[in-house]
Amino acid sequence: DQQVKQNSPSLSVQEGRISILNCDYTNSMFDYFLWYKKYPAEGPTFLISISSIKDKNEDGRFTVFLNKSAKHLSLHIVPSQPGDSAVYFCAASAISGGGADGLTFGKGTHLIIQP
Amino acid sequence: DTAVSQTPKYLVTQMGNDKSIKCEQNLGHDTMYWYKQDSKKFLKIMFSYNNKELIINETVPNRFSPKSPDKAHLNLHINSLELGDSAVYFCASSLRGGTYEQYFGPGTRLTVT
Repeated sequence: DQQVKQNSPSLSVQEGRISILNCDYTNSMFDYFLWYKKYPAEGPTFLISISSIKDKNEDGRFTVFLNKSAKHLSLHIVPSQPGDSAVYFCAASAISGGGADGLTFGKGTHLIIQP
Repeated sequence: DTAVSQTPKYLVTQMGNDKSIKCEQNLGHDTMYWYKQDSKKFLKIMFSYNNKELIINETVPNRFSPKSPDKAHLNLHINSLELGDSAVYFCASSLRGGTYEQYFGPGTRLTVT
């Protein structure tokens, strides 16, 4: 039973354009959401997060949007750069559990930035 | 300085053997985790430790035993290795009551033959 779903296994975007990665979740207890970026043979690297009390969080080229009623979040990268080519994981947590819970991950989306 | 480190990076061993993977973090975090990424690339939580106390044990076979000698270290010992244990194991750490981001190590690719 996948509680965090990333329905696009891969996404190809031209350099300089906007990349939009989507994520859906089913567990209403989730109240904190994170995006991680992963290169081959490396560990996931934290990118950006958002609490359920917000609907948008921005950090440089990266913006995460949260639609609680739809249980949907998205990561926007603009402009996309070649170094952004990686696998992006959406993750969720119920921090009301005290903050020592594991993250629940989606299966990831492989973003390919084309020159 | 590496924030979360794991050793070894690669581990090839035969079925039935016992092996350990070590993890250390120098971020001053009080919570550490083990995750398993299987062949389908799913990252799943295995264990969570806070201040050397086990918080989460997610239906992992008891052949897997985590050990936390102090807040900066969380080792994973696996007994009687099976073919299905082949995976990439990631250690992570975070600060409980902080901003909840978890920081991951580079992973240990375990291959059981």
